[in-house]
Amino acid sequence: AQRVTQPEKLLSVFKGAPVELKCNYSYSGSPELFWYVQYSRQRLQLLLRHISRESIKGFTADLNKGETSFHLKKPFAQEEDSAMYYCALPDTGNQFYFGTGTSLTVIP
Amino acid sequence: NAGVTQTPKFQVLKTGQSMTLQCAQDMNHNSMYWYRQDPGMGLRLIYYSASEGTTDKGEVPNGYNVSRLNKREFSLRLESAAPSQTSVYFCASRGNQGASEAFFGQGTRLTVV
Repeated sequence: AQRVTQPEKLLSVFKGAPVELKCNYSYSGSPELFWYVQYSRQRLQLLLRHISRESIKGFTADLNKGETSFHLKKPFAQEEDSAMYYCALPDTGNQFYFGTGTSLTVIP
Repeated sequence: NAGVTQTPKFQVLKTGQSMTLQCAQDMNHNSMYWYRQDPGMGLRLIYYSASEGTTDKGEVPNGYNVSRLNKREFSLRLESAAPSQTSVYFCASRGNQGASEAFFGQGTRLTVV
């Protein structure tokens, strides 16, 4: 069953414009949610997790339980933000699910 | 600080050949995972191991087998490779806390011809 949905496969924004990458989830109980980033041909690395409520590289994400969303936002996109972004959700059985990913391109 | 190490980085197989992808982690994590990454499909879980001695199927286990050799190592075996298994394979490990992040290997790019 699909537990994490990223509706946009591709997203392009101009440098300096705001960016929002969408993530919706289905989960009973209190979810732990993560955003991972993958730069070209590199391994995935953690960008941020909702429990820590921190901002990494200018990105933030807020868990909205009412809308079951965990959208990733940045007010001013930079060229170095061009990458693949994955939303992720562990379940109680120790599986760790990823969405289908959103490829972000920041246009100079 | 090695983290998660996968071997090999690249491999080309002929249809029907077998091979084993190796993965080792040095973070004393209980959970380990194998994913495949395909364009437009994201990361799909093949198999996972919640602890030493246990393995479970993920979303796409057909055509694969795994072995959790010890706490450090988790291998993925293709017994009879098929072109549909051409993909990039990632191994990951994770602690047992709900908020624990997963750490990834650098990936194995496999082509089956």
